Amino acid sequence: SQQGEEDPQALSIQEGENATMNCSYKTSINNLQWYRQNSGRGLVHLILIRSNEREKHSGRLRVTLDTSKKSSSLLITASRAADTASYFCATDPDSGGGADGLTFGKGTHLIIQP
Amino acid sequence: NAGVMQNPRHLVRRRGQEARLRCSPMKGHSHVYWYRQLPEEGLKFMVYLQKENIIDESGMPKERFSAEFPKEGPSILRIQQVVRGDSAAYFCASSPAGYYNEQFFGPGTRLTVL
Repeated sequence: SQQGEEDPQALSIQEGENATMNCSYKTSINNLQWYRQNSGRGLVHLILIRSNEREKHSGRLRVTLDTSKKSSSLLITASRAADTASYFCATDPDSGGGADGLTFGKGTHLIIQP
Repeated sequence: NAGVMQNPRHLVRRRGQEARLRCSPMKGHSHVYWYRQLPEEGLKFMVYLQKENIIDESGMPKERFSAEFPKEGPSILRIQQVVRGDSAAYFCASSPAGYYNEQFFGPGTRLTVL
């Protein structure tokens, strides 16, 4: 089954506003990661939150994780035009130590309007 | 429909040897991505290839690392003269088209350099 479903699929906001994206998943996880993908480029890792963590900050990014609801959110504060990109969450499933790989969702396409 | 296949799953090399990691994309997928995951860190993008072409290698170390995706056969990530710092999990992903398509990840190859 598909892990890491982001919501919304697309989001357009004004520069300076905050942007919030959500991610839901289905199975137990070791950690959840958020990635950014700029047009024509590969994925860039933003932040990793472990299953025993509830909140994590990195610069203008804030990630929350609710394992009881199997959901995560990514908040970008004071958005900038350069934040325009697709954002993906990826789950690292708790599979007993095996290397099962990550599953990415389809992403949220964020557009920051000047 | 078999998923992305990587082999070997585990590879042990001594310093100075060469490591060759193979990735067979999902059937019908012509785009391959390689990522490296160091212990306790998220995935870091290395290279994006289509058949016989390197599209984006912005994440590849300048020396010792190379990748190819020939017309026939799997994609190969080659690391020459491995060093201990190369020890990591190397993930391959494939997609049916370009960057904005969901990437499906393989189980990874865990490289250990002694």
